[in-house]
Amino acid sequence: DGGITQSPKYLFRKEGQNVTLSCEQNLNHDAMYWYRQDPGQGLRLIYYSQIVNDFQKGDIAEGYSVSREKKESFPLTVTSAQKNPTAFYLCASRPAGPNTGELFFGEGSRLTVL
Amino acid sequence: ILNVEQSPQSLHVQEGDSTNFTCSFPSSNFYALHWYRWETAKSPEALFVMTLNGDEKKKGRISATLNTKEGYSYLYIKGSQPEDSATYLCAFRAGANNLFFGTGTRLTVIP
Repeated sequence: DGGITQSPKYLFRKEGQNVTLSCEQNLNHDAMYWYRQDPGQGLRLIYYSQIVNDFQKGDIAEGYSVSREKKESFPLTVTSAQKNPTAFYLCASRPAGPNTGELFFGEGSRLTVL
Repeated sequence: ILNVEQSPQSLHVQEGDSTNFTCSFPSSNFYALHWYRWETAKSPEALFVMTLNGDEKKKGRISATLNTKEGYSYLYIKGSQPEDSATYLCAFRAGANNLFFGTGTRLTVIP
């Protein structure tokens, strides 16, 4: 089945450590996105990529980094510079076409910093 | 970051009841309004993408309306069923990659 796979589902990290969240899609979508969810807030955009080897900062990019070396993969690294990394992270993708198109989401990764 | 508001935050209804939620968004720079259903431990799934003022969309027992001039959308569920229990998210698209989400309405349908 086509879809978006995020891993790991749960991750614990000590302060000062970098951690990478994986996002893989087999939908052949061009655009991919990373969102963060915190209690009482809507999803907020961290980074997005519209094409391989290109990506753009979203609204809350500080302390995060991404890469897009392959069309199907868009990993997110939460660096030690991220002040409050404990959150739920969602990856999404969208096919090329109308900019109004819907997003397709993974099931998310929950990161807890101890 | 644009403000997208959803109300109520949560509600409980009895099986068979009809219900509706509201999504309020800025009335300028409108591209599209998305509705997603997010069941616990699953991924959010798109219900509707609405682009034109006055749009009405329907999928089974669920329907949505859109008023871009006053900046609101309603989601209706007719004859709620336990499987409708989920968080319903709306998202306002103000540009190609600017999709701003509300905090969601959590619906619980009591059998």
